[in-house]
Amino acid sequence: GENVEQHPSTLSVQEGDSAVIKCTYSDSASNYFPWYKQELGKGPQLIIDIRSNVGEKKDQRIAVTLNKTAKHFSLHITETQPEDSAVYFCAARLSNFGNEKLTFGTGTRLTIIP
Amino acid sequence: GAGVSQSPSNKVTEKGKDVELRCDPISGHTALYWYRQSLGQGLEFLIYFQGNSAPDKSGLPSDRFSAERTGGSVSTLTIQRTQQEDSAVYLCASSFQSGEATDTQYFGPGTRLTVL
Repeated sequence: GENVEQHPSTLSVQEGDSAVIKCTYSDSASNYFPWYKQELGKGPQLIIDIRSNVGEKKDQRIAVTLNKTAKHFSLHITETQPEDSAVYFCAARLSNFGNEKLTFGTGTRLTIIP
Repeated sequence: GAGVSQSPSNKVTEKGKDVELRCDPISGHTALYWYRQSLGQGLEFLIYFQGNSAPDKSGLPSDRFSAERTGGSVSTLTIQRTQQEDSAVYLCASSFQSGEATDTQYFGPGTRLTVL
């Protein structure tokens, strides 16, 4: 089955700097890659996703890049703010009908230092 | 609109007892998922429902775990004879499915289960 690895496990950056979190996946047939943000005591919230037919997607301060050949994808947060502090999870999905589960990385705890 | 809701938010039980966890998906979402998140870990898939049927139960860790969904809406995850290793946050997600593709999975706040 699919295996997703995520690095780093913890990341501290100065407010205003950029943060990058990287994930690799094992199944070349995976075609959907979401990123979730989880704040303490809450469920994961989707912040951005990318499908395998594009290489990059941006939404304001957040961007995701996908390299299908290398089987890795990355989350980029620019101009970080204190409210960006949270745990971030990447995931991959093999989107065939009846096989919709997300396989998650182990998470990155991001701390923004004021 | 209303998101995915789960109840209870916290459940403390004694080893050997049975527990039921409930999930109310977003209205109109045909797909429903259960995941488990152990302390400091990522999310582990348990089971996926499409309507009331479960095409993928591959993540259920043992036969003590079961789940059902009725009326294409509410789902219940039941853990029988709980063990301490069952302690975790149980998360439910739902998504809308059109054709052969499913949309974004939206998560509930989870139920924190503690087995003493």
